[in-house]
Amino acid sequence: AQKVTQAQTEISVVEKEDVTLDCVYETRDTTYYLFWYKQPPSGELVFLIRRNSFDEQNEISGRYSWNFQKSTSSFNFTITASQVVDSAVYFCALSEATARWGKLQFGAGTQVVVTP
Amino acid sequence: DAGVTQSPTHLIKTRGQQVTLRCSPKSGHDTVSWYQQALGQGPQFIFQYYEEEERQRGNFPDRFSGHQFPNYSSELNVNALLLGDSALYLCASSFYNTGELFFGEGSRLTVL
Repeated sequence: AQKVTQAQTEISVVEKEDVTLDCVYETRDTTYYLFWYKQPPSGELVFLIRRNSFDEQNEISGRYSWNFQKSTSSFNFTITASQVVDSAVYFCALSEATARWGKLQFGAGTQVVVTP
Repeated sequence: DAGVTQSPTHLIKTRGQQVTLRCSPKSGHDTVSWYQQALGQGPQFIFQYYEEEERQRGNFPDRFSGHQFPNYSSELNVNALLLGDSALYLCASSFYNTGELFFGEGSRLTVL
């Protein structure tokens, strides 16, 4: 069975600090996809990034970066120089290879609070 | 270009009643997935529709049913409502061959 664990329930930072969100996953599949979504107070889940299990290259996209390590089944996400608009709940999610089916297994989420 | 739209945004029902939630996918998308998000938890997959058929289903009882129309819009029906059905119900759409889901803002259901 698939499982996604986000151990941090809430992180509070002051603007311009970096924020790192932890995500640990479990799956028996050899091919899978990992996602990060952001949920602002409006409720809409906003897609941030997606990686497949064959690509462990870590990248940076603007103020976002991620660290994917299959050896530890972790997919951590970092926001650099946080801003007040980054305040939201962030979800890590896992999907089987047939990601087009849209069946995602979400973690419980981490509330990020950025204060001025 | 409208994104995913859901209606109603909020509704209140009593135990035992039935509810229908509606979703219009993002323009051009042909696949709709439904999720239930209880307060303080991550979304849970209910089911997905493509070509007017249920393609995958999560661990939800038969009280939860759905439908997809020829214009790709979708409905989620929940019968015999329980207090535990109180949640935010999210609809997501996508193209059949891609994994990126676009979510609506959800329908907040309260069961009293």
